[in-house]
Amino acid sequence: AQKVTQAQTEISVVEKEDVTLDCVYETRDTTYYLFWYKQPPSGELVFLIRRNSFDEQNEISGRYSWNFQKSTSSFNFTITASQVVDSAVYFCALISTNTDKLIFGTGTRLQVFP
Amino acid sequence: GAGVSQSPRYKVTKRGQDVALRCDPISGHVSLYWYRQALGQGPEFLTYFNYEAQQDKSGLPNDRFSAERPEGSISTLTIQRTEQRDSAMYRCASSLEPRGAGGPGKTQYFGPGTRLLVL
Repeated sequence: AQKVTQAQTEISVVEKEDVTLDCVYETRDTTYYLFWYKQPPSGELVFLIRRNSFDEQNEISGRYSWNFQKSTSSFNFTITASQVVDSAVYFCALISTNTDKLIFGTGTRLQVFP
Repeated sequence: GAGVSQSPRYKVTKRGQDVALRCDPISGHVSLYWYRQALGQGPEFLTYFNYEAQQDKSGLPNDRFSAERPEGSISTLTIQRTEQRDSAMYRCASSLEPRGAGGPGKTQYFGPGTRLLVL
């Protein structure tokens, strides 16, 4: 079975702090894709990044960075110098090449205070 | 171009009524997905289409739920005889390519959702 676990239900930080959101996944498939989505207070679900199972290179996009480690089945997301606009619920998700269902974690609510 | 659109954005209905939720995918996207998101949870898969063909409906909770995509573009999710437990955010997503394609084709882009409240 496939499963995504986001153990952190809620995180609160003060602006400019760095914060890491954890994601652990389970799958028996050898080829799969991992995603992060952002759900701001307005409610939409915004795609942030996709990573495939063969590419363990870390990725950086501005203040955002992602650390994919197959050995620990983790795909963690770090926000550097957090801003109030980063306040949102962040979802980690998994999809394999054998299915087209996205399996989501339960999400981590990030609150950034000024 | 435009993103995924859904209508209505909010729907309040009385128990026992039928509702129809509409999704208009990104132009050119082959695959269309329906998810349901309860408060405080991640979205859960309901069903999906490649073109007009329904590929997987294993996530539909019961036979009161149905979906169609007759011309391979706009899709409608219908809930018959609504119950209070059907209250949730219903999300539609689309992706560029069908099953078996690579990563970029697998990325699902979501619409704003329809929040359904059954009284």
